[in-house]
Amino acid sequence: AQSVTQLGSHVSVSEGALVLLRCNYSSSVPPYLFWYVQYPNQGLQLLLKYTSAATLVKGINGFEAEFKKSETSFHLTKPSAHMSDAAEYFCAVTPGNTGKLIFGQGTTLQVKP
Amino acid sequence: EAQVTQNPRYLITVTGKKLTVTCSQNMNHEYMSWYRQDPGLGLRQIYYSMNVEVTDKGDVPEGYKVSRKEKRNFPLILESPSPNQTSLYFCASSPDRVSTEAFFGQGTRLTVV
Repeated sequence: AQSVTQLGSHVSVSEGALVLLRCNYSSSVPPYLFWYVQYPNQGLQLLLKYTSAATLVKGINGFEAEFKKSETSFHLTKPSAHMSDAAEYFCAVTPGNTGKLIFGQGTTLQVKP
Repeated sequence: EAQVTQNPRYLITVTGKKLTVTCSQNMNHEYMSWYRQDPGLGLRQIYYSMNVEVTDKGDVPEGYKVSRKEKRNFPLILESPSPNQTSLYFCASSPDRVSTEAFFGQGTRLTVV
């Protein structure tokens, strides 16, 4: 069965520091991979997605993620954290064309001044 | 404005009292689904629908019903709510099951006492 693992339920960084949120997936078929962000009291918003066109994917708000098939990883990074980045981040996979999203457990990003 | 609208946003009810959470999208999307979000578990799919009159179970369908009589609406029905259904619920829609770029509603926080 397909699954997604996010390492670290809470990540804390200082403003201006590198953000690294880790995601590993298991999938028996080439997957589509996504990162979503959830701000307090809001729904999920798509940050970026990987659909096999390029391994380095750029998203909104300066985030990017790199698909590494050999490591089955899709880590999310941002060079310099901003206070407004504080939110919960979800990695998700959909294997093939099922349409179903399988989510990781989520990582809460805290940004300290 | 393209959006997915859920109602109500907050609901407190008693065990056994039937309730319906409505979901409507104005993007003419074929694919709609319901998720529940619980701490440490991420989002889990309850039911999904690939088109009008076509629905199927997700990962956690027990205790829920859905219907898809019109393309834009996908209500979630709890016939006899129980406290273990206390959760945050999200409705999502996608153009189709292949693109899977899901658009999420704002969420419904349900408490069953």
